[in-house]
Amino acid sequence: AQTVTQSQPEMSVQEAETVTLSCTYDTSENNYYLFWYKQPPSRQMILVIRQEAYKQQNATENRFSVNFQKAAKSFSLKISDSQLGDTAMYFCAFMRYNNNDMRFGAGTRLTVKP
Amino acid sequence: DGGITQSPKYLFRKEGQNVTLSCEQNLNHDAMYWYRQDPGQGLRLIYYSQIVNDFQKGDIAEGYSVSREKKESFPLTVTSAQKNPTAFYLCASMSWDRVANQPQHFGDGTRLSIL
Repeated sequence: AQTVTQSQPEMSVQEAETVTLSCTYDTSENNYYLFWYKQPPSRQMILVIRQEAYKQQNATENRFSVNFQKAAKSFSLKISDSQLGDTAMYFCAFMRYNNNDMRFGAGTRLTVKP
Repeated sequence: DGGITQSPKYLFRKEGQNVTLSCEQNLNHDAMYWYRQDPGQGLRLIYYSQIVNDFQKGDIAEGYSVSREKKESFPLTVTSAQKNPTAFYLCASMSWDRVANQPQHFGDGTRLSIL
């Protein structure tokens, strides 16, 4: 089974600053998807950003961007201009191209401080 | 509006009792999933189903059972064999052919506790 590792259990950042969350994964597949999900205190799972492995260009969604390093099997999330509403658990997730089981990392708890 | 409905929001189980968590979706999604989340931890896959009348074990299936008799419904039974059932349970669904654009949609979860 694929494994997803998030090595930072907790992080904090000052409002308006930039923070990067790390994620590495282990797979022998060549085609797959990677995702970052946000889980605020309400416990809802919210998709933040997605990346398809065959695309070399890093995905961006407004203040959120990724640094996808396929050879290194690394998929970090950068949050720019951090806002108080970004405070949440962030989960990295992996899904193989032709298989629908999604695997999640253990999560990083991010706190944005005013 | 389309979505996933989990019920109940809170559930209590007595020792030796089986309990069933409901998950219904009206998104016409093919695949459905059950995850368990323990405090401060990530989501661990219990079972998933890619089509009606078929399902596969995830990483922590022991003590749980599922059925997929209808496309819309994927109930999870927590059996008495699951000795540590206290957790937050999330149901999700996904459309086969739209993974890239619309990955998993999640319900709001059920919190299960031991009485």
